[in-house]
Amino acid sequence: DQQVKQNSPSLSVQEGRISILNCDYTNSMFDYFLWYKKYPAEGPTFLISISSIKDKNEDGRFTVFLNKSAKHLSLHIVPSQPGDSAVYFCAANKWDMRFGAGTRLTVKP
Amino acid sequence: DTGVSQNPRHKITKRGQNVTFRCDPISEHNRLYWYRQTLGQGPEFLTYFQNEAQLEKSRLLSDRFSAERPKGSFSTLEIQRTEQGDSAMYLCASSSRLTPNTGELFFGEGSRLTVL
Repeated sequence: DQQVKQNSPSLSVQEGRISILNCDYTNSMFDYFLWYKKYPAEGPTFLISISSIKDKNEDGRFTVFLNKSAKHLSLHIVPSQPGDSAVYFCAANKWDMRFGAGTRLTVKP
Repeated sequence: DTGVSQNPRHKITKRGQNVTFRCDPISEHNRLYWYRQTLGQGPEFLTYFQNEAQLEKSRLLSDRFSAERPKGSFSTLEIQRTEQGDSAMYLCASSSRLTPNTGELFFGEGSRLTVL
Protein backbone atom coordinates (compact mmCIF):
# COMPACT_ATOMS: atom_id res chain seq x y z
CA ASP A 1 0.00 0.00 0.00
CA GLN A 2 1.75 3.07 -1.27
CA GLN A 3 0.51 5.80 1.00
CA VAL A 4 2.99 8.43 -0.18
CA LYS A 5 3.49 9.01 -3.88
CA GLN A 6 5.94 11.07 -5.85
CA ASN A 7 4.81 10.82 -9.44
CA SER A 8 7.74 12.58 -11.06
CA PRO A 9 10.86 10.42 -11.03
CA SER A 10 13.02 13.28 -12.26
CA LEU A 11 13.13 17.06 -12.62
CA SER A 12 15.66 19.28 -14.34
CA VAL A 13 15.89 23.04 -13.77
CA GLN A 14 18.30 25.82 -14.57
CA GLU A 15 20.45 27.32 -11.83
CA GLY A 16 18.75 30.31 -10.24
CA ARG A 17 15.24 29.20 -11.18
CA ILE A 18 12.61 27.65 -8.92
CA SER A 19 12.44 23.89 -8.35
CA ILE A 20 9.04 22.50 -7.37
CA LEU A 21 8.84 18.92 -6.17
CA ASN A 22 5.43 17.38 -5.57
CA CYS A 23 4.08 14.68 -3.32
CA ASP A 24 0.62 13.15 -2.73
CA TYR A 25 -0.55 11.05 0.18
CA THR A 26 -3.61 8.98 0.93
CA ASN A 27 -3.72 8.62 4.72
CA SER A 28 -5.36 11.57 6.46
CA MET A 29 -3.98 10.38 9.82
CA PHE A 30 -0.43 11.52 9.05
CA ASP A 31 0.56 14.31 11.42
CA TYR A 32 3.96 15.34 10.10
CA PHE A 33 5.35 15.58 6.62
CA LEU A 34 9.04 15.73 5.84
CA TRP A 35 11.42 16.11 2.95
CA TYR A 36 14.72 14.26 2.87
CA LYS A 37 17.59 14.74 0.46
CA LYS A 38 19.85 11.92 -0.62
CA TYR A 39 23.21 12.08 -2.33
CA PRO A 40 24.75 8.96 -3.92
CA ALA A 41 26.39 6.55 -1.43
CA GLU A 42 24.91 8.42 1.53
CA GLY A 43 21.84 7.89 3.67
CA PRO A 44 18.93 10.33 3.38
CA THR A 45 19.34 13.56 5.35
CA PHE A 46 16.51 15.60 6.78
CA LEU A 47 15.73 18.83 4.96
CA ILE A 48 12.49 20.37 6.20
CA SER A 49 9.22 19.33 7.82
CA ILE A 50 5.72 20.61 8.32
CA SER A 51 3.05 19.80 10.85
CA SER A 52 -0.38 18.81 9.59
CA ILE A 53 -1.85 21.83 11.37
CA LYS A 54 0.14 24.24 9.22
CA ASP A 55 0.06 25.00 5.54
CA LYS A 56 3.51 26.48 5.02
CA ASN A 57 6.97 26.21 6.53
CA GLU A 58 10.00 28.12 5.31
CA ASP A 59 13.70 27.61 5.92
CA GLY A 60 16.01 29.73 3.84
CA ARG A 61 15.71 28.76 0.20
CA PHE A 62 13.37 25.87 1.03
CA THR A 63 9.62 26.17 1.54
CA VAL A 64 7.17 23.33 2.04
CA PHE A 65 3.48 23.82 1.31
CA LEU A 66 0.75 21.52 2.58
CA ASN A 67 -2.75 21.29 1.09
CA LYS A 68 -4.66 18.95 3.37
CA SER A 69 -7.88 18.99 1.41
CA ALA A 70 -6.00 17.81 -1.66
CA LYS A 71 -3.66 15.57 0.36
CA HIS A 72 -0.78 17.21 -1.45
CA LEU A 73 2.48 18.78 -0.45
CA SER A 74 5.22 20.44 -2.38
CA LEU A 75 8.79 21.57 -1.83
CA HIS A 76 9.94 24.81 -3.42
CA ILE A 77 13.63 25.59 -3.77
CA VAL A 78 14.40 29.18 -4.72
CA PRO A 79 16.89 29.91 -6.14
CA SER A 80 18.05 26.46 -7.20
CA GLN A 81 21.77 25.76 -7.03
CA PRO A 82 23.85 22.98 -8.63
CA GLY A 83 24.59 21.61 -5.15
CA ASP A 84 20.86 20.93 -4.74
CA SER A 85 21.14 18.15 -7.32
CA ALA A 86 20.11 15.00 -5.42
CA VAL A 87 17.20 12.62 -4.93
CA TYR A 88 14.44 14.15 -2.80
CA PHE A 89 12.13 11.92 -0.79
CA CYS A 90 8.81 13.01 0.58
CA ALA A 91 7.86 11.28 3.84
CA ALA A 92 4.84 11.24 6.12
CA ASN A 93 4.73 10.25 9.76
CA LYS A 94 2.15 8.84 12.14
CA TRP A 95 3.35 5.72 13.95
CA ASP A 96 6.09 5.02 11.46
CA MET A 97 7.46 6.96 8.54
CA ARG A 98 6.36 6.26 4.98
CA PHE A 99 8.43 7.43 2.07
CA GLY A 100 7.69 8.23 -1.54
CA ALA A 101 9.78 6.75 -4.33
CA GLY A 102 11.82 9.92 -4.73
CA THR A 103 12.39 12.58 -7.37
CA ARG A 104 15.84 13.09 -8.84
CA LEU A 105 16.52 16.82 -9.13
CA THR A 106 19.20 18.05 -11.51
CA VAL A 107 20.13 21.72 -11.36
CA LYS A 108 22.08 22.76 -14.45
CA PRO A 109 24.66 25.56 -14.23
CA ASP B 1 29.38 12.35 17.66
CA THR B 2 29.95 10.24 14.56
CA GLY B 3 26.31 9.89 13.53
CA VAL B 4 24.63 6.59 12.73
CA SER B 5 27.14 3.93 11.77
CA GLN B 6 26.36 0.79 9.79
CA ASN B 7 28.52 -2.15 8.82
CA PRO B 8 29.37 -3.81 6.66
CA ARG B 9 28.76 -1.24 3.96
CA HIS B 10 28.49 -3.92 1.31
CA LYS B 11 27.87 -7.64 1.60
CA ILE B 12 27.87 -10.10 -1.28
CA THR B 13 26.56 -13.54 -0.45
CA LYS B 14 25.26 -16.66 -2.12
CA ARG B 15 21.61 -17.57 -2.01
CA GLY B 16 20.80 -19.60 1.10
CA GLN B 17 23.48 -18.06 3.29
CA ASN B 18 22.78 -16.04 6.43
CA VAL B 19 23.88 -12.43 6.76
CA THR B 20 23.94 -10.01 9.68
CA PHE B 21 24.10 -6.23 9.61
CA ARG B 22 24.97 -4.02 12.54
CA CYS B 23 23.81 -0.50 13.33
CA ASP B 24 25.23 1.85 15.95
CA PRO B 25 22.84 4.75 16.45
CA ILE B 26 23.63 8.23 17.70
CA SER B 27 24.51 7.64 21.34
CA GLU B 28 21.70 9.54 23.05
CA HIS B 29 18.98 8.31 20.67
CA ASN B 30 16.59 5.77 22.15
CA ARG B 31 14.65 5.02 18.97
CA LEU B 32 16.11 2.87 16.21
CA TYR B 33 14.60 1.97 12.87
CA TRP B 34 15.44 -0.41 10.04
CA TYR B 35 14.39 0.36 6.48
CA ARG B 36 14.97 -1.39 3.18
CA GLN B 37 15.45 0.45 -0.08
CA THR B 38 15.42 -1.09 -3.54
CA LEU B 39 16.35 0.61 -6.79
CA GLY B 40 13.94 3.35 -7.78
CA GLN B 41 11.99 3.15 -4.54
CA GLY B 42 11.96 5.07 -1.32
CA PRO B 43 12.92 3.49 1.99
CA GLU B 44 10.38 0.89 3.21
CA PHE B 45 9.82 0.50 6.93
CA LEU B 46 10.88 -2.84 8.40
CA THR B 47 10.96 -2.49 12.18
CA TYR B 48 11.33 -0.06 15.07
CA PHE B 49 12.84 -0.23 18.55
CA GLN B 50 12.36 2.03 21.51
CA ASN B 51 15.28 1.23 23.78
CA GLU B 52 15.52 -2.58 23.69
CA ALA B 53 11.84 -3.17 22.96
CA GLN B 54 10.84 -3.98 19.39
CA LEU B 55 7.56 -2.07 19.12
CA GLU B 56 6.57 -2.55 15.53
CA LYS B 57 7.31 -4.90 12.65
CA SER B 58 6.26 -4.51 9.05
CA ARG B 59 4.67 -7.41 7.20
CA LEU B 60 7.66 -7.04 4.88
CA LEU B 61 9.69 -8.60 7.69
CA SER B 62 9.24 -12.29 6.95
CA ASP B 63 10.20 -14.96 9.47
CA ARG B 64 13.62 -15.17 7.80
CA PHE B 65 14.35 -11.70 9.17
CA SER B 66 15.10 -10.99 12.80
CA ALA B 67 16.22 -7.80 14.48
CA GLU B 68 17.54 -7.29 17.96
CA ARG B 69 18.66 -4.44 20.13
CA PRO B 70 19.79 -6.31 23.23
CA LYS B 71 20.96 -3.45 25.45
CA GLY B 72 19.11 -0.59 23.87
CA SER B 73 22.21 0.60 22.08
CA PHE B 74 23.40 -1.07 18.85
CA SER B 75 21.09 -3.24 16.78
CA THR B 76 21.54 -6.21 14.47
CA LEU B 77 19.43 -7.28 11.51
CA GLU B 78 19.85 -10.91 10.49
CA ILE B 79 18.54 -12.44 7.31
CA GLN B 80 18.49 -16.23 7.20
CA ARG B 81 18.48 -18.33 4.02
CA THR B 82 18.92 -15.28 1.82
CA GLU B 83 17.05 -15.05 -1.47
CA GLN B 84 17.86 -12.95 -4.52
CA GLY B 85 14.86 -10.78 -3.71
CA ASP B 86 16.57 -9.74 -0.48
CA SER B 87 19.13 -7.77 -2.49
CA ALA B 88 18.65 -4.16 -1.39
CA MET B 89 20.13 -1.35 0.66
CA TYR B 90 19.36 -1.81 4.35
CA LEU B 91 19.18 1.53 6.12
CA CYS B 92 19.30 2.15 9.83
CA ALA B 93 18.03 5.37 11.40
CA SER B 94 17.73 6.72 14.90
CA SER B 95 15.87 9.47 16.68
CA SER B 96 15.50 10.88 20.17
CA ARG B 97 12.35 11.09 22.24
CA LEU B 98 13.66 14.42 23.51
CA THR B 99 13.13 16.15 20.20
CA PRO B 100 9.66 17.24 19.09
CA ASN B 101 7.80 14.39 17.49
CA THR B 102 8.29 15.60 13.95
CA GLY B 103 9.58 12.20 13.04
CA GLU B 104 12.97 13.48 11.93
CA LEU B 105 15.24 10.49 11.51
CA PHE B 106 19.02 10.41 11.28
CA PHE B 107 20.08 7.81 8.75
CA GLY B 108 23.27 5.83 8.41
CA GLU B 109 24.92 5.31 5.05
CA GLY B 110 23.32 1.91 4.64
CA SER B 111 24.45 -1.67 4.13
CA ARG B 112 24.07 -2.91 0.58
CA LEU B 113 23.24 -6.60 0.25
CA THR B 114 23.80 -8.46 -3.01
CA VAL B 115 22.53 -12.04 -3.13
CA LEU B 116 23.94 -14.07 -6.02
